Amino acid sequence: GAVVSQHPSWVICKSGTSVKIECRSLDFQATTMFWYRQFPKQSLMLMATSNEGSKATYEQGVEKDKFLINHASLTLSTLTVTSAHPEDSSFYICSARVFGTYNEQFFGPGTRLTVL
Amino acid sequence: GQQVMQIPQYQHVQEGEDFTTYCNSSTTLSNIQWYKQRPGGHPVFLIQLVKSGEVKKQKRLTFQFGEAKKNSSLHITATQTTDVGTYFCAEGSSYKLIFGSGTRLLVRP
Repeated sequence: GAVVSQHPSWVICKSGTSVKIECRSLDFQATTMFWYRQFPKQSLMLMATSNEGSKATYEQGVEKDKFLINHASLTLSTLTVTSAHPEDSSFYICSARVFGTYNEQFFGPGTRLTVL
Repeated sequence: GQQVMQIPQYQHVQEGEDFTTYCNSSTTLSNIQWYKQRPGGHPVFLIQLVKSGEVKKQKRLTFQFGEAKKNSSLHITATQTTDVGTYFCAEGSSYKLIFGSGTRLLVRP
């Protein structure tokens, strides 16, 4: 089946630093990847849609200059949280849509970010 | 924007009891997907419903899509401790998913 990996699985950083999270589709090509944020005991909130070779589409209220997304290849998308602050601490999950399917998504294992 | 409401927020059942979670929308849904997220884990796709009135079964799980395509339900028969987790419905359109608020299921052994 379709497998999506994320790296790192968890990260602790100091306030003001930047953190990069990688999302890879391991056995398929993903023209579209999605980035979600999930706070404890809450639902997944879509942050942005990442399209290979073009600019990401951000959801309303998500700062594109703070959450930089790059989808350099059909198997890799990265999310960089710039100048992280404690309120950015969350569980970040990526997903990928298999090319040619309706819209079933396969999720990565997530990255838990803690900003001190 | 599109909002998908899900109830109940929590459900605590005795092992062997049934469980149902409901998803409701004020607008017609193009399709509905269901995901399960175990504690500390990531969402795992369960099923997609597309047709009005559609009913699908997976062992002890029964999924329904309303006739008006504005609501959906997931029913688990005779819950087991392995069913513990949060169940999300999600509406998929324009190739992105809008998740419901989720129902957290706890099962007492």
